[in-house]
Amino acid sequence: AQKVTQAQTEISVVEKEDVTLDCVYETRDTTYYLFWYKQPPSGELVFLIRRNSFDEQNEISGRYSWNFQKSTSSFNFTITASQVVDSAVYFCALRNTGFQKLVFGTGTRLLVSP
Amino acid sequence: GAGVSQSPSNKVTEKGKDVELRCDPISGHTALYWYRQSLGQGLEFLIYFQGNSAPDKSGLPSDRFSAERTGGSVSTLTIQRTQQEDSAVYLCASSYQGETQYFGPGTRLLVL
Repeated sequence: AQKVTQAQTEISVVEKEDVTLDCVYETRDTTYYLFWYKQPPSGELVFLIRRNSFDEQNEISGRYSWNFQKSTSSFNFTITASQVVDSAVYFCALRNTGFQKLVFGTGTRLLVSP
Repeated sequence: GAGVSQSPSNKVTEKGKDVELRCDPISGHTALYWYRQSLGQGLEFLIYFQGNSAPDKSGLPSDRFSAERTGGSVSTLTIQRTQQEDSAVYLCASSYQGETQYFGPGTRLLVL
């Protein structure tokens, strides 16, 4: 069975604060992919990052960073110095190798206030 | 380049009518996917196409839902005899040979 849990339903921060969005996943497979997508108010899902299960290196892209830990089945996403434009719903997703469908978490709504 | 496009953007229909939703994938992408996003169920997978064939239809909720893909490109999702619980945003995505899925803007369906 595959499952993705995003326990934080909604987070509110003030601009320039750092914020971490949690993602915990469950899978019996040893090889899989993890993703983060952003859904701004316009509604379109925007791809942010993909991680392979065999690559536990952390990733940094500008103000965004991702921490992948197989030992805790977590793939957390940190935004440094948040900005109002970061306000969106963020989804974590899992895809097992050999299957094509993405299994999504329920999403975390991030509200960044000026 | 052009992303995934979907039409119509919005569709309002009456209960019992049939609707067709269209998806144009990114040029050159071999795989195409349909998902549904609703308040109660979150983001759910519906069906996956590789070329014109659909190896995985496991997410289609009932036999009222069907989809086809022609020419390895455009796909149509058809919902027959729509019900109010079909109201949702229908999202299409495409990928190159099963890699990262890129999503379209969605079709917002409202069944009255």
